[in-house]
Amino acid sequence: AQKVTQAQTEISVVEKEDVTLDCVYETRDTTYYLFWYKQPPSGELVFLIRRNSFDEQNEISGRYSWNFQKSTSSFNFTITASQVVDSAVYFCALSKDPAGGTSYGKLTFGQGTILTVHP
Amino acid sequence: GAVVSQHPSRVICKSGTSVKIECRSLDFQATTMFWYRQFPKQSLMLMATSNEGSKATYEQGVEKDKFLINHASLTLSTLTVTSAHPEDSSFYICSARERAKVTQYFGPGTRLLVL
Repeated sequence: AQKVTQAQTEISVVEKEDVTLDCVYETRDTTYYLFWYKQPPSGELVFLIRRNSFDEQNEISGRYSWNFQKSTSSFNFTITASQVVDSAVYFCALSKDPAGGTSYGKLTFGQGTILTVHP
Repeated sequence: GAVVSQHPSRVICKSGTSVKIECRSLDFQATTMFWYRQFPKQSLMLMATSNEGSKATYEQGVEKDKFLINHASLTLSTLTVTSAHPEDSSFYICSARERAKVTQYFGPGTRLLVL
C-alpha cells in the first residue's frame, strides 16, 4: 500500500524567511510519481510540480525548490524568502504509474501542511 | 492550459433533495476524472474514478447509489448526490487527467451544505 506522511501539521513563519515542508512516502513500486499541490483559502488545488521515481534531479522554480531523495523516500519542498501570498495548505501526493491502468493514476495524499506567512 | 471548472461553486439544499455537480475540462480531453471529498482541515479523500464512457470505480466505503457519477463525454463528468442529508455537507473537488498523461488538474471545488 502507498502512504504519504507530512509530519508538519502547521508552520508559521515571518515574511522573507525560508521554509521547508517535509514529505515522506512509502511505496513498493519501482515506478511512481510524486506531486506537490497548493490549496489557497479559495479551495482550488494548484499543481506545483511532478517528479517521477527515476528522476532525482532537484528542481528550482523561482522561489520554490524541491529535493527528491529516494534513499530516504523524501520529497521536500522549500520556499525561499516566503511571502504572505504563500499562505496556503500544501499537499504532497504519490501515484503509481498510470500506464499500468486507470486505477494506477490515483493520488495518495498526505495530510497537508498549513503554512501561514505573517507580514 | 489544463483548466478544469466546476459548477456550482456553492450550493445549499434541503435534506432529501438531490444535487448535481458538474466538472468540465476546458482545454483538454479528460479521459479520466476523479471525484474527491474534503472535510474542513483534512486531506482529500478519493471517492471514485471515472473513465469516459465507462462506469465509475468507487472507493471502498463510498455508496455508489448515493453518489452517482456519469462521465458521458471527454470534457464532462457529473456527480449527483442523491437524497442528500446534512452529513453529506462537504467540499467536493474533481480532477481531470488527459490520456497518457500523469498529472491531474483540479477544479475549484463545490461547497455543499445540506440543511
